[in-house]
Order: sequence, then structure tokens, then C-alpha cells
Amino acid sequence: DIQMTQSPSSLSASVGDRVTITCQASQDIRNCLNWYQQKPGKPPKLLISDASNLETGVPSRFSGSGSGTDFTFTISSLQPEDIATYYCQQYDNVPPITFGQGTRLEIK
Amino acid sequence: QVQLVESGGGVVQPGRSLRLSCAASGFTFSNYGIHWVRQAPGKGLEWVAVISYDGSNKYYADSVKGRFTISRDNSKNTLYLQMNSLRAEDTAVYYCAKDVVRWAGPYGGWFDPWGQGTLVTVSS
Repeated sequence: DIQMTQSPSSLSASVGDRVTITCQASQDIRNCLNWYQQKPGKPPKLLISDASNLETGVPSRFSGSGSGTDFTFTISSLQPEDIATYYCQQYDNVPPITFGQGTRLEIK
Repeated sequence: QVQLVESGGGVVQPGRSLRLSCAASGFTFSNYGIHWVRQAPGKGLEWVAVISYDGSNKYYADSVKGRFTISRDNSKNTLYLQMNSLRAEDTAVYYCAKDVVRWAGPYGGWFDPWGQGTLVTVSS
């Protein structure tokens, strides 16, 4: 099974800050990586598919990059409504489909 | 709009069974693979199972293989998860999630959208 390692596990930043989360796969997954946002008490929401494809309606301050084993998720200017937990998820060589352990983002 | 609504959760004793349902609307249900994903309290996301658009292909996480069965009724636009031999570690919110592909073979994994989830608590 492919293991996904996210870092950091938690992050505190100020409104307007640039925020970066990384996700590392245990083997090459090409660009088969998605990013999800989960707000408290809500289901996850797909933000970025195929490593860098912004889903329709998702603000442009969110972006993703990477391929192979190393991926990055960025919020260019943190907004209060971005407080959530973010997950990476791989879909190469499935099943099983596997998630990173999540990054909890808080406002400083 | 696309909507998924789970039901059937509750408190159940270890070793007992429970069946979850997921009612779909707003899209052609019979065209897409559908997943179950769970989240233990305060923990991360764990993929559980997927079923192909026509029910012919089913895949499971090792943690539930042999105990859980995923199925669907396309005439009722409904997905099911039969959970047998439940354990304390199965306690979680269970979400159904639509994929963007059919899962005619082992390919896919875009969860969009998700239902609101139903809580299963396994406790004596």
C-alpha cells in the first residue's frame, strides 16, 4: 500500500499569510493526488484534483503542485474562512486509496 | 444539485451487525462508482470500500474485508454498507462519496461530493 505523509500535522498562521502544506508519497504516484478541505462538523470537500487542478468554484488563493513523490498545497493569502483540516489523498495503484494524516490549520 | 444522504447509524454492541444506506439524487446514479469512507472520532479519513457503477466490481480495505459488504440498488438510487462482526475500532462517522468514474476496473479515486455522514458507535 502507498503511504502518504503530510507535514506539518498542525499549523498556526495569521490572516494574509502564505501557508504551505507538504505531502510525500512512499512511492511514485505520478500526479495522482487530490487535496481536500474539512471544516469542523462538515464532510470533506475536494479542492484540488490531479495535483494541481483547481476545482470549479474554489478560490484562486488555493493551489497545488508536484509530481512523483513530493507535493505541495498552498494558500497564498490566508483568510479566516480557511480554518479547517486539509488532507492529501492518492489514487494511483488502487485499491486501497490512502489519505495523509491531515494538517490542522488555525488562525494565530 | 448532487446530493448524498446517509442513514442507518447508531449504537451497536461488538459482534453485532448494522446496515448503512446512502440515498443519492441530482445525478445519474447508475453511471458512477460510489465509495464509503470513514472517520473515527478526532481522527483522519480512512477509505473503506468502493462499488462500480453496475455493482459488478467491489473493492475493500483490508481492515473490513470479509466483514463488510458494499452493494447498490440502481433502481432506488441507493448505496448500502452491510457491516457484520462489528468491533470497537469500527466506531466512526461513515460517509458515502461519489467518484467521477465508473470503477469498471481498479481505477479512480476522486471523492466529489460527500454526504453529511452517519455515526456508528460500537460499544457494549
